Amino acid sequence: GEDVEQSLFLSVREGDSSVINCTYTDSSSTYLYWYKQEPGAGLQLLTYIFSNMDMKQDQRLTVLLNKKDKHLSLRIADTQTGDSAIYFCAETSSGTYKYIFGTGTRLKVLA
Amino acid sequence: GAVVSQHPSWVICKSGTSVKIECRSLDFQATTMFWYRQFPKQSLMLMATSNEGSKATYEQGVEKDKFLINHASLTLSTLTVTSAHPEDSSFYICSASTLRAGGDTDTQYFGPGTRLTVL
Repeated sequence: GEDVEQSLFLSVREGDSSVINCTYTDSSSTYLYWYKQEPGAGLQLLTYIFSNMDMKQDQRLTVLLNKKDKHLSLRIADTQTGDSAIYFCAETSSGTYKYIFGTGTRLKVLA
Repeated sequence: GAVVSQHPSWVICKSGTSVKIECRSLDFQATTMFWYRQFPKQSLMLMATSNEGSKATYEQGVEKDKFLINHASLTLSTLTVTSAHPEDSSFYICSASTLRAGGDTDTQYFGPGTRLTVL
């Protein structure tokens, strides 16, 4: 079946940029998402990108998509302690309702 | 916009009892609702998908008689864990999807989750 992989942990210092990476196998992916999950809470949609885009920027967030390599990244500029959370990428294909979630990356921001 | 609520946020019950969890889309009508289960430090596992007025579609390995899903309206879905056992203890998250304007794929909006502990 289709697979989405993420590195498990990332630690950065407050004020630095964070880059969270995601690779996927589904060549028919149309939408790719980034969600944030804080402890004991549900998932908050941060941003999404359509597969015909290379980049999308939304305030401190920049999403880069390399469709050829099936690689997605989320860059958080000026990372703050409040950004500490688990970040999930997810992908879906046109015509299907199912999301395939990555394993999640735990971001820890050091003061 | 696109707010999804769950109730209760946490519940503790005795083994053998049944527990109902509600999922509501507060400011939109959801074409589809989803139920996920999340184990500690793991990703989300899709349990079932439900559309209003029709039977839920369960993922392989999920017991439909144990996890009863009712989708009574476009804004409410319920998950009932029947005859709960300690191994059913988990974090249950629902999501509701709506067709994105101009898009061909739904976007899922997630509830805050319900932590179930079965003693």
